[in-house]
Amino acid sequence: EAGVAQSPRYKIIEKRQSVAFWCNPISGHATLYWYQQILGQGPKLLIQFQNNGVVDDSQLPKDRFSAERLKGVDSTLKIQPAKLEDSAVYLCASSFSRDRRGSRSGNTIYFGEGSWLTVV
Amino acid sequence: SQKIEQNSEALNIQEGKTATLTCNYTNYSPAYLQWYRQDPGRGPVFLLLIRENEKEKRKERLKVTFDTTLKQSLFHITASQPADSATYLCALGGNYGQNFVFGPGTRLSVLP
Repeated sequence: EAGVAQSPRYKIIEKRQSVAFWCNPISGHATLYWYQQILGQGPKLLIQFQNNGVVDDSQLPKDRFSAERLKGVDSTLKIQPAKLEDSAVYLCASSFSRDRRGSRSGNTIYFGEGSWLTVV
Repeated sequence: SQKIEQNSEALNIQEGKTATLTCNYTNYSPAYLQWYRQDPGRGPVFLLLIRENEKEKRKERLKVTFDTTLKQSLFHITASQPADSATYLCALGGNYGQNFVFGPGTRLSVLP
């Protein structure tokens, strides 16, 4: 089974420029996540999609970050304009979700290798 | 606000010993807790999940405990090997698919 695919793997841009990251989740996974991981810290959720609808984007800096999930499959995360503090690894992840109302059993989240962003 | 702490930033142990990593949390009532392994330059990889009504879970050389009274999970690697060297992340989940939060991670080094 193919894993979560991300590109580009590495990107260096100047501040105030824009960048876009692409993610293809595991086939059949309805839930897609974008995480930001700063060096030495744990991943922080930026946005979560369920199919092509947004479930949680409370920590997404909406003045500069945007994300979309076309047709409930691939997703793109964009940063415009970039700031120095945006230097981080951007991790895409997916999980298989079923309609289990009230369930608190948890899903395994599968991560991609990440896209490393350096803003200079 | 929710807070997750993992014992120390880095832990060094001798090969063959048992590594014990700690995950403590406050202002959170997780329904389940997960442990992930992350190697340098790679994404996290799922290891174990333990639910709020479970005290202990085992998988090969791995053992996880979950004490909701102490608000703590312990992650044990027995007979540790240099290949176990990595960063280990705990993550808490509340209701299904929501409020999933990662801790800062502990970098484990197993010395030969």
